[in-house]
Amino acid sequence: SQQGEEDPQALSIQEGENATMNCSYKTSINNLQWYRQNSGRGLVHLILIRSNEREKHSGRLRVTLDTSKKSSSLLITASRAADTASYFCATDGETSGSRLTFGEGTQLTVNP
Amino acid sequence: DAGVTQSPTHLIKTRGQHVTLRCSPISGHKSVSWYQQVLGQGPQFIFQYYEKEERGRGNFPDRFSARQFPNYSSELNVNALLLGDSALYLCASSFQEPYYEQYFGPGTRLTVT
Repeated sequence: SQQGEEDPQALSIQEGENATMNCSYKTSINNLQWYRQNSGRGLVHLILIRSNEREKHSGRLRVTLDTSKKSSSLLITASRAADTASYFCATDGETSGSRLTFGEGTQLTVNP
Repeated sequence: DAGVTQSPTHLIKTRGQHVTLRCSPISGHKSVSWYQQVLGQGPQFIFQYYEKEERGRGNFPDRFSARQFPNYSSELNVNALLLGDSALYLCASSFQEPYYEQYFGPGTRLTVT
């Protein structure tokens, strides 16, 4: 079964708008990572947030983590058509070592 | 710096055959993990190796095996291929375990007919 679940499954926005994707997980984690995947190709690492961190920024990306709610969000500001991709969250847990458990992903479409 | 590399890019096999997929980690990375991604789903963990030792195995049958070499590159072997093994196979490397980012290669697209 999936540890992480992304919400929504699909998101369509206009260029320049912000996109917010959410991820929930079930068990205690060490880290949570967000990845982007274009058209079934390899995963591109976006950002890692540790369990003792609450927020992290990288360029146009902002990630938050709420361990009490077992959830994370990824915000992409001022979206571009090139941001069109699938976005996955992945967790590694206290008992699972560094193996990553992925959700089903959010398909983001940014319309020009 | 070169990222994670995988070969081949694409592969077509028939049921019952055997396949070997290869992965070279980022220079300096000692941990390699393998994932299977079926179309429309998130990647599923298969194996993790660190310093040439198996550190984790996912819920995959014994037809799947892997190893890591002294130069930290890795092979994933799948025997007696089934149609359901058709997927994108992803390799990821990290500096060490745990607490480090995992970087993925472009994947090998395996089609079993």
